[in-house]
Amino acid sequence: AQSVTQLDSQVPVFEEAPVELRCNYSSSVSVYLFWYVQYPNQGLQLLLKYLSGSTLVKGINGFEAEFNKSQTSFHLRKPSVHISDTAEYFCAVSPNQGGTSYGKLTFGQGTILTVHP
Amino acid sequence: ETGVTQTPRHLVMGMTNKKSLKCEQHLGHNAMYWYKQSAKKPLELMFVYNFKEQTENNSVPSRFSPECPNSSHLFLHLHTLQPEDSALYLCASSQEGGATTSQYFGPGTRLTVT
Repeated sequence: AQSVTQLDSQVPVFEEAPVELRCNYSSSVSVYLFWYVQYPNQGLQLLLKYLSGSTLVKGINGFEAEFNKSQTSFHLRKPSVHISDTAEYFCAVSPNQGGTSYGKLTFGQGTILTVHP
Repeated sequence: ETGVTQTPRHLVMGMTNKKSLKCEQHLGHNAMYWYKQSAKKPLELMFVYNFKEQTENNSVPSRFSPECPNSSHLFLHLHTLQPEDSALYLCASSQEGGATTSQYFGPGTRLTVT
């Protein structure tokens, strides 16, 4: 089984400041890692994902995340945020197991990022 | 329409009512999912359909009954719900490819059980 912990439920920042949203996971098997964003009154949208290879992953809207296997973390970062980045962000994992043609995502509780002018 | 659509967007129902949620994907995907998003809780996977066959039922109470008539449509039939079932119900779809494939989400149906 997998579990995901997002260490901050809310993160307030000022516009143009850097931000880091923290995510730790636990799993008995290797996993794929994802970050999703949910804007108000909308569904989830994929920001980025780590499958293999380089541990630094770049996504949409200037976000990036770094996979750290020893610390079982996948923190999301952006060097300079905008008002439009205000949303809820979800970290998720999916077990790396053969034999299925679909994903089984386990989500964290979410982090609400609020960008102030 | 493009992407994943869900209707209705909002639904208020009494505990004795029967209603259905509808999801449609226009992406040519083979797998479809129902998730429940409750306040202050992580998204919970409820059901997975892969090529119209139910492949996952995450210990969901029988008052929730899914139906997948084809790869583009997914329904969630609701009956005798409880107030704690009030939540945002999200539908998602993905292409064949295992756990590496990205899931595309609809906007959700906000359900209130009175």
